[in-house]
Amino acid sequence: KAGVTQTPRYLIKTRGQQVTLSCSPISGHRSVSWYQQTPGQGLQFLFEYFSETQRNKGNFPGRFSGRQFSNSRSEMNVSTLELGDSALYLCASSEQGGNYGYTFGSGTRLTVV
Amino acid sequence: GNSVTQMEGPVTLSEEAFLTINCTYTATGYPSLFWYVQYPGEGLQLLLKATKADDKGSNKGFEATYRKETTSFHLEKGSVQVSDSAVYFCALSVETSGSRLTFGEGTQLTVNP
Repeated sequence: KAGVTQTPRYLIKTRGQQVTLSCSPISGHRSVSWYQQTPGQGLQFLFEYFSETQRNKGNFPGRFSGRQFSNSRSEMNVSTLELGDSALYLCASSEQGGNYGYTFGSGTRLTVV
Repeated sequence: GNSVTQMEGPVTLSEEAFLTINCTYTATGYPSLFWYVQYPGEGLQLLLKATKADDKGSNKGFEATYRKETTSFHLEKGSVQVSDSAVYFCALSVETSGSRLTFGEGTQLTVNP
């Protein structure tokens, strides 16, 4: 069974630009969550999608958004990038949700310059 | 709210030493508890989990017991190997808070030969 695939692995963007990250979950998994990992703040929850609907949202500004497609693939978008958005963005999928345990992808390393 | 506190790191051990990484939590509701491991340059891997009090999760020689009375989920391994060097995260999920995972700060483990 293929794992969770995130693309691209690395990204460098300029302040003020926008970026879209992609995540393909494990086949059959309908829940996809996104997390931001930084040295200062650790792992923080961004949002979760289940069957194309946002089911849960963390405390991030509206510049962070996401969506899920009918095949469960998910994208997350960050507009008007700031230097502080530099982080490792992790996608995780699960059959039903967090209580069953999530499988994480390898992440997208975003650097904003 | 929900929170997870891990013992401060980093932790440095010699090969074959006994490992304990402490984890305590606070939760509004009945949480499921997890340990994740992150190797350099990679995403998170689910190491083990427990979904109710007194459950013991185990995997690859690692164990953790869900202790409701002390709100703890300490990770242990009887004999560590160099290949166990990684960052370990304790996490919880509560259904009433949606499917988000709340993580501890992470503990860096280095095992020397």
